[in-house]
Amino acid sequence: DAKTTQPNSMESNEEEPVHLPCNHSTISGTDYIHWYRQLPSQGPEYVIHGLTSNVNNRMASLAIAEDRKSSTLILHRATLRDAAVYYCILNAGKSTFGDGTTLTVKP
Amino acid sequence: DSGVTQTPKHLITATGQRVTLRCSPRSGDLSVYWYQQSLDQGLQFLIQYYNGEERAKGNILERFSAQQFPDLHSELNLSSLELGDSALYFCASSVGGAPFGYTFGSGTRLTVV
Repeated sequence: DAKTTQPNSMESNEEEPVHLPCNHSTISGTDYIHWYRQLPSQGPEYVIHGLTSNVNNRMASLAIAEDRKSSTLILHRATLRDAAVYYCILNAGKSTFGDGTTLTVKP
Repeated sequence: DSGVTQTPKHLITATGQRVTLRCSPRSGDLSVYWYQQSLDQGLQFLIQYYNGEERAKGNILERFSAQQFPDLHSELNLSSLELGDSALYFCASSVGGAPFGYTFGSGTRLTVV
């Protein structure tokens, strides 16, 4: 499986934007970039996914580098409910998730 | 409610026993994926089924097996249980794989004593 690298933790203030980076330098042309988040003792929740173009949905935006070797999940206005572990993963269905980024949101 | 239903939510059993975990996928989803999440490891992919057929295998032990039935629900069977099998077991479903995203259930917490 192609591997992703994320910072272990990040902090944000409430109502400010958050940019969560992910490196995936060995990505192949057919690999989809998926983002999920997980609260303690809950199942992962789908956030967003994309292949080549930037993507927007009601939860977040996904910015994909032109060479596709990195991507950034953007939460436009962080709330306390956005505090979670965020996973960046390629072709999530058959892959083992890494450690993700633990996002702390300060009031 | 994600639409993916897992039962039971909690299960406590003794070493050496066998248990069955059940997953009903979201309506319309043909693929089912099983994951194991223990304290010292991340979400480990175990196995995938698509429309009743096994499609991919991950880090699944020989003591574990799974199947997907004609109504698309899936069962994960864990036998000869060991203390180290204690974990959260998640099921996810998808219409057809990576281009579509995955929906996870709320998991079954298995405790082996």
